[in-house]
Amino acid sequence: DAGVIQSPRHEVTEMGQEVTLRCKPISGHDYLFWYRQTMMRGLELLIYFNNNVPIDDSGMPEDRFSAKMPNASFSTLKIQPSEPRDSAVYFCASSPWTGGGSGANVLTFGAGSRLTVL
Amino acid sequence: SQQGEEDPQALSIQEGENATMNCSYKTSINNLQWYRQNSGRGLVHLILIRSNEREKHSGRLRVTLDTSKKSSSLLITASRAADTASYFCATDAQGSNDYKLSFGAGTTVTVRA
Repeated sequence: DAGVIQSPRHEVTEMGQEVTLRCKPISGHDYLFWYRQTMMRGLELLIYFNNNVPIDDSGMPEDRFSAKMPNASFSTLKIQPSEPRDSAVYFCASSPWTGGGSGANVLTFGAGSRLTVL
Repeated sequence: SQQGEEDPQALSIQEGENATMNCSYKTSINNLQWYRQNSGRGLVHLILIRSNEREKHSGRLRVTLDTSKKSSSLLITASRAADTASYFCATDAQGSNDYKLSFGAGTTVTVRA
């Protein structure tokens, strides 16, 4: 398996523009997570999906952010309009179903999309 | 929000030496994991320790967990230049079906040749 695939790897855009980040999870993984990493705030969970359904989007910073997972092999994170403070590395990660209770959730991360908003 | 906090923030050691870093967390957990991040890359899972385990080994890695102190340590023995990376602990929430992982701020390890 090629792992979790993210695109683009780098994006430079101007404030106000729409940004779309893409993710292809590992085949067979039931969970998909979007994280954002900055020096100031570290790794923040934005949203996660289970079987293509959004489960928790409480980490999405504002209405400017939206995420979709139209099928098991594709997810997008959209920022519209983008602002300079959105500059960060955005990671997608996927994991297989491990059961509830004391089940463990081991994530496989993509290489990240580095976003710079000027 | 960050559940785990790593200590120290940065560590510089000579090749061949051991590196130890610690993680403290706030609420009870099911499992604690350690991940490594090389510069410009995504995180890579290293090892998982369950709340009913006290110690676990994987190659040159040794992880301990003290649930009474809500802390964990990661020891890398006989470090190599390739171990230069940031290391993060990640925790979940005990007893929940919530599959979120919260990551700490990380320890940056530099191994000098």
